[in-house]
Amino acid sequence: QVTLRESGPALVKPTQTLTLTCTFSGFSLSTSGMCVSWIRQPPGKALEWLARIDWDDDKFYRTSLKTRLTISKDTSKNQVVLIMTNMDPVDTATYYCARKRGPQLPFDYWGQGTLVTVSS
Amino acid sequence: DIQMTQSPSSLSASVGDRVTITCRASQTISRYLNWYQQKPGKAPKLLIYTASSLQSGVPSRFSGSGSGTDFTLTISSLQPEDFATYYCQQSYTTATFGQGTRLEIK
Repeated sequence: QVTLRESGPALVKPTQTLTLTCTFSGFSLSTSGMCVSWIRQPPGKALEWLARIDWDDDKFYRTSLKTRLTISKDTSKNQVVLIMTNMDPVDTATYYCARKRGPQLPFDYWGQGTLVTVSS
Repeated sequence: DIQMTQSPSSLSASVGDRVTITCRASQTISRYLNWYQQKPGKAPKLLIYTASSLQSGVPSRFSGSGSGTDFTLTISSLQPEDFATYYCQQSYTTATFGQGTRLEIK
């Protein structure tokens, strides 16, 4: 059974750095083709893809946020970490992690999401 | 970056209606187009992948079609549980989502 769960702070201050962890089970990120992405959704708005890390440690970032994002994985712990620097109130959103079984395949499993509010 | 444009942005319909949502890509994406359903407070749920393949467990009233830049999601006979927001997503390069279509009860 595949599950993903996001964890991290619910509240961060402007200019701070956000660190989110996706802990998953039921699959291995060392399996060929496997990918994990981070996706966010501001309240009442659309989904926005942020970053992806692949089984071979290839990394991809949303162009507009590339300078602020870092994605990494710990295969032994079944975790993927997203770091976003210089947080701003517009970054307030529910952050999801999601799995793909191949780079061009869909997101077939999602975490339940974690709401991050950016406010002083 | 590839842009995805959905239409309409919102739609009112009745139980039993046939509904079609369209999605257009800013450049060709072959058939790398997926559809998701999202209900309030929940994560998106995969409905259709690679344009027309039905995800396991999804009712057959959902169908998808298209290739290149133009795609459609059709719900043949709306059920009460289908009122939700629907998103298209391209997986040709990284990922981009459409802006969503909110399907409301008339």
